[in-house]
Amino acid sequence: EAAVTQSPRNKVTVTGGNVTLSCRQTNSHNYMYWYRQDTGHGLRLIHYSYGAGNLQIGDVPDGYKATRTTQEDFFLLLELASPSQTSLYFCASSDIGAGERLFFGHGTKLSVL
Amino acid sequence: GDSVTQTEGQVALSEEDFLTIHCNYSASGYPALFWYVQYPGEGPQFLFRASRDKEKGSSRGFEATYDKGTTSFHLRKASVQESDSAVYYCALGHNAGAKLTFGGGTRLTVRP
Repeated sequence: EAAVTQSPRNKVTVTGGNVTLSCRQTNSHNYMYWYRQDTGHGLRLIHYSYGAGNLQIGDVPDGYKATRTTQEDFFLLLELASPSQTSLYFCASSDIGAGERLFFGHGTKLSVL
Repeated sequence: GDSVTQTEGQVALSEEDFLTIHCNYSASGYPALFWYVQYPGEGPQFLFRASRDKEKGSSRGFEATYDKGTTSFHLRKASVQESDSAVYYCALGHNAGAKLTFGGGTRLTVRP
């Protein structure tokens, strides 16, 4: 079974703080994704990438940066965190994109006070 | 743009009841349709997929049929168990694309 590992599992920061969420996949997949999950909104795509050095904007990108440093590693950066970014964040990977299944990590719960 | 609508936000059933969760989509072309399931404390897991009209996807007793005429992919299970309690997401993606579009999710609670 494909593996996607997120860290940390929980993070608390203050408004204006700097946060980095990490994701590593060992599936040799090309695509990686960052989603946020909120009650009433389901899963919303923040950023995605189809390879090292590539970055594509998702549907809710404001306030977020991302970087894909290697085939395996994809990071989500919140440089000036706000309470509206309190959410559950999921990373996912896929071999050939949206026509095939995504493999998700266990999520990172972020609280911005 | 693409969109997925799940009619039911929450469904409460008793064990051995029949389950239907409605999913309708709006998209250009011929997208692949998916169902994902999310158990508490975990990320969503792929349940099954269908990619052409009248194709049936199935897994773990759940099934759905791709209906291009009614733009639907309703999830059904004949007899639910308490262990099926979870959040279910319908989604669509284009084979040549990168983005998967999710519905709002349906929380299923099954009473013993």
